[in-house]
Amino acid sequence: DQQVKQNSPSLSVQEGRISILNCDYTNSMFDYFLWYKKYPAEGPTFLISISSIKDKNEDGRFTVFLNKSAKHLSLHIVPSQPGDSAVYFCAASEGSRLTFGEGTQLTVNP
Amino acid sequence: GAVVSQHPSRVICKSGTSVKIECRSLDFQATTMFWYRQFPKKSLMLMATSNEGSKATYEQGVEKDKFLINHASLTLSTLTVTSAHPEDSSFYICSARDPGQGARIGETQYFGPGTRLLVL
Repeated sequence: DQQVKQNSPSLSVQEGRISILNCDYTNSMFDYFLWYKKYPAEGPTFLISISSIKDKNEDGRFTVFLNKSAKHLSLHIVPSQPGDSAVYFCAASEGSRLTFGEGTQLTVNP
Repeated sequence: GAVVSQHPSRVICKSGTSVKIECRSLDFQATTMFWYRQFPKKSLMLMATSNEGSKATYEQGVEKDKFLINHASLTLSTLTVTSAHPEDSSFYICSARDPGQGARIGETQYFGPGTRLLVL
């Protein structure tokens, strides 16, 4: 039972354009959502988060949108840079437990 | 930022042997560490939560006798895969929570680089 799903295993965008990574969840008890970024041979690192009481959180080039009615969140990166190429995981929190999606490999082409 | 190390980064062992994986928080004390397992193209699956000085809490479906977790100090947790079999081959990743930062748990959870286990 995959409670957090990232349906796109990969995404390729041109440098300077917007990257949009999507994530869907099924558990309405999740109250906090996070995005992590993972480079090869490294562990995931926290990128940005959003509480379930908000619908948008912005940090520099990164914005996370939450649509609770659709149980959907997305990460927007604009403008995309080649250094953003990595695997992005979305995660949802219920208390102290994190449930992760499968990850999306983002490739930003120069 | 906080650093979490794992050792070894990859290990190959024979079926029936036991393998120990170490997870260390290098610049903070972690009262709570987490062990995850990741299959190819799958999500990180939480296996257990390890609290310093007490027994680990295992997720449903994870065999506690198979995956022994010890959190003997505030900077070290170990995962021992006992009597390993080929189906235990996977990517194991730990994370450690820095309680001193006081933010939401996901934001203060720092991940190690992972250990690739291959059981022949």
